Amino acid sequence: AQKITQTQPGMFVQEKEAVTLDCTYDTSDQSYGLFWYKQPSSGEMIFLIYQGSYDEQNATEGRYSLNFQKARKSANLVISASQLGDSAMYFCAMREGMDSSYKLIFGSGTRLLVRP
Amino acid sequence: DTGVSQDPRHKITKRGQNVTFRCDPISEHNRLYWYRQTLGQGPEFLTYFQNEAQLEKSRLLSDRFSAERPKGSFSTLEIQRTEQGDSAMYLCASSLHDRGARTEAFFGQGTRLTVV
Repeated sequence: AQKITQTQPGMFVQEKEAVTLDCTYDTSDQSYGLFWYKQPSSGEMIFLIYQGSYDEQNATEGRYSLNFQKARKSANLVISASQLGDSAMYFCAMREGMDSSYKLIFGSGTRLLVRP
Repeated sequence: DTGVSQDPRHKITKRGQNVTFRCDPISEHNRLYWYRQTLGQGPEFLTYFQNEAQLEKSRLLSDRFSAERPKGSFSTLEIQRTEQGDSAMYLCASSLHDRGARTEAFFGQGTRLTVV
């Protein structure tokens, strides 16, 4: 069964430094997509970055990059130059390509706190 | 604002009462999803619609839950005879379905339900 594991319940990072949030996944499908969402205290899930299983290059979106290691089934999020506004919950999610619903399976999240 | 909107943002109800939540997706999006998020966990899929058709329901969606999307636009989620275990954040998301797996879902800010 597909599963997302985020082993870091909470992380601290100093402002302006980089931080890596871990995510491992389990799927038997060859085609899948991996997502990272940010959830501030307001509750909204904000899409950050996407990586397709067939993408050869790691995805990047501004200060966000995804360290995709397919053989290890990991999809870690790297946030560079952390800002105070980055303090939030971060969720890794997966969508299997063969599942026509395109529903997302989420991990349990990592709470990131950026220190000034 | 052209994002996904949910109403109400907060709802407190007594056990045994019925509640109804509304979600207005992004106007051109043909898919609409409901997720439930309990404290300290990632969102869990409940159900989804393509246009007005409800195509999949999770086992989490008991008989007391019903969702509709009558004209393929807004959606409602009703919980009958609420129980304390229904207390959670209910998130709505929408997406424009195409054949690519990259179709990211856009989430609303959620409705936080507290059953007392």
